[in-house]
Amino acid sequence: LAKTTQPISMDSYEGQEVNITCSHNNIATNDYITWYQQFPSQGPRFIIQGYKTKVTNEVASLFIPADRKSSTLSLPRVSLSDTAVYYCLVGWKGTGRRALTFGSGTRLQVQP
Amino acid sequence: GAGVSQSPSNKVTEKGKDVELRCDPISGHTALYWYRQSLGQGLEFLIYFQGNSAPDKSGLPSDRFSAERTGGSVSTLTIQRTQQEDSAVYLCASSLLTSGTVEQFFGPGTRLTVL
Repeated sequence: LAKTTQPISMDSYEGQEVNITCSHNNIATNDYITWYQQFPSQGPRFIIQGYKTKVTNEVASLFIPADRKSSTLSLPRVSLSDTAVYYCLVGWKGTGRRALTFGSGTRLQVQP
Repeated sequence: GAGVSQSPSNKVTEKGKDVELRCDPISGHTALYWYRQSLGQGLEFLIYFQGNSAPDKSGLPSDRFSAERTGGSVSTLTIQRTQQEDSAVYLCASSLLTSGTVEQFFGPGTRLTVL
């Protein structure tokens, strides 16, 4: 399974855009990039998934360069409620026996 | 519809006792995962069930840990002869493996405390 590296923590202020970058140098051809969000005392929640270029949904955008060795989760205009741990996962999204691996995540603290 | 449920929400036990943790996945989800999360840490993969295939047990930390999934639905994670280092939140997730996004839906977890 591809190993991911992301910052341990980040700080931001309300209303700012936050970009969290994840490195995955040994990503495989079939691997997708998925981001999850976890609030204290809750299980992680799916945010966004992509394979290449850019993906956008109502919550975030995911930017993936052509070499796919990294990806950037972009959260527009964060609020205090975006304070959470964000996990970057790389793995195969098809059927099969492989399970995605969660790393330590990035702890985002949003200040007023 | 209902999400993933886990029981109990909290479990306090004495060292050396056996415990059983239960997970009810979302109906129709063929894949089920167990993870462990120690305080302030990331998620540690334990075991993965997919349909009728043999489970991927590669994450189980020792032979004191085992899991079953009956009828392709409910799963039970059993920890025998619990140790203090087993104290953690145990999270269960399920997913529907199709050609689309493989999104894991997590339950609220069971907080296990071994005294």
